[in-house]
Amino acid sequence: ETGVTQTPRHLVMGMTNKKSLKCEQHLGHNAMYWYKQSAKKPLELMFVYSLEERVENNSVPSRFSPECPNSSHLFLHLHTLQPEDSALYLCASSQDRGPADTQYFGPGTRLTVL
Amino acid sequence: AQSVTQPDIHITVSEGASLELRCNYSYGATPYLFWYVQSPGQGLQLLLKYFSGDTLVQGIKGFEAEFKRSQSSFNLRKPSVHWSDAAEYFCAVGGPSGGYNKLIFGAGTRLAVHP
Repeated sequence: ETGVTQTPRHLVMGMTNKKSLKCEQHLGHNAMYWYKQSAKKPLELMFVYSLEERVENNSVPSRFSPECPNSSHLFLHLHTLQPEDSALYLCASSQDRGPADTQYFGPGTRLTVL
Repeated sequence: AQSVTQPDIHITVSEGASLELRCNYSYGATPYLFWYVQSPGQGLQLLLKYFSGDTLVQGIKGFEAEFKRSQSSFNLRKPSVHWSDAAEYFCAVGGPSGGYNKLIFGAGTRLAVHP
């Protein structure tokens, strides 16, 4: 595997379910990000991790809970979601946190909340 | 505040025609500018980026972009479009914010290519 991978690619869940999204980067990067992409809206940054430390929580509701156990893996734990949380969730990584550090994106997880 | 505007939501061109996608940004300092492309059901792929130096930058797949500071623009161009270029294109501006590189994305331009 190369680049940034995400699993699952598609997920359907009820509002009372608990599920997790997984992201893995094979680039040796130190920073990882979660973005939300909803229809007709620009990409929204959710969380930023650098060397496993959360450096940004962009006012995301607590029903989204990130976890970064090491610099290669990032999870997004989901519980009691709402239908408006249906979206494409994208993971990205960059070498470090600087402005010259390009972010590389995974293919995303298409989440549908019923 | 930082912002990115992509004025065209949808663009349709014929295969072989030239293409220009517009991007205007608002940023207080020297911007770091990016163009990404997203094919249906896929993540974002970096096409090119501008940090400094030559204002005309070359990217992958035959794309180029020109940084014009006076116009706060970073338009993407391709001289001859291929059917496989049909996708959504995102312009982004990046810069330090709270200790990390924050990317602000435009709303995207969806490109359709007619045979």
